[in-house]
Amino acid sequence: GQQLNQSPQSMFIQEGEDVSMNCTSSSIFNTWLWYKQEPGEGPVLLIALYKAGELTSNGRLTAQFGITRKDSFLNISASIPSDVGIYFCAGLTGNQFYFGTGTSLTVIP
Amino acid sequence: NAGVTQTPKFQVLKTGQSMTLQCAQDMNHNSMYWYRQDPGMGLRLIYYSASEGTTDKGEVPNGYNVSRLNKREFSLRLESAAPSQTSVYFCASTAPTGGSYNEQFFGPGTRLTVL
Repeated sequence: GQQLNQSPQSMFIQEGEDVSMNCTSSSIFNTWLWYKQEPGEGPVLLIALYKAGELTSNGRLTAQFGITRKDSFLNISASIPSDVGIYFCAGLTGNQFYFGTGTSLTVIP
Repeated sequence: NAGVTQTPKFQVLKTGQSMTLQCAQDMNHNSMYWYRQDPGMGLRLIYYSASEGTTDKGEVPNGYNVSRLNKREFSLRLESAAPSQTSVYFCASTAPTGGSYNEQFFGPGTRLTVL
């Protein structure tokens, strides 16, 4: 199957710091999605990106669809304790979504 | 709207037992998906149904069967459970493709343990 490389695997940051994570693929995707998953819950959609070069914000979150269509990044500004969770990227090609292995974020108050 | 619902929330099976995981969505979505999530592996697609009446294999279909009962419901069946099928199972649905509708929404998951 398609491989999405997500990095970093985990992050431990102080409250108030900015966070950056990214996802790369060897294949082109038509859509990039970013999800957050909290313990015991299903992934929740944060941001969807549909065009190469697109930059989209959702509150303190900003994500970009890479120009090559093979990568995407997610930034979180001024992190707060409730940002804790695992963040997943996903790429869509055809009818199938492919997921990264996740970035685990811990915010230290 | 309840979104995507899954039952049961937790299940423990013995090796060789069978069970069906249920999923329903009330968003009038065409496409529905079953994933499994294992530590360090992310989400892997088991089966999907692009529309009512069609199903296709995903990345890890062995040991599973699915039924798209109608537009709302998509079930996943384990005929003879094995310990390797211990996992968290997520159902998801996607609005019609095109434009701004390529967004996938997930259910809360079923935590399955096979002893």
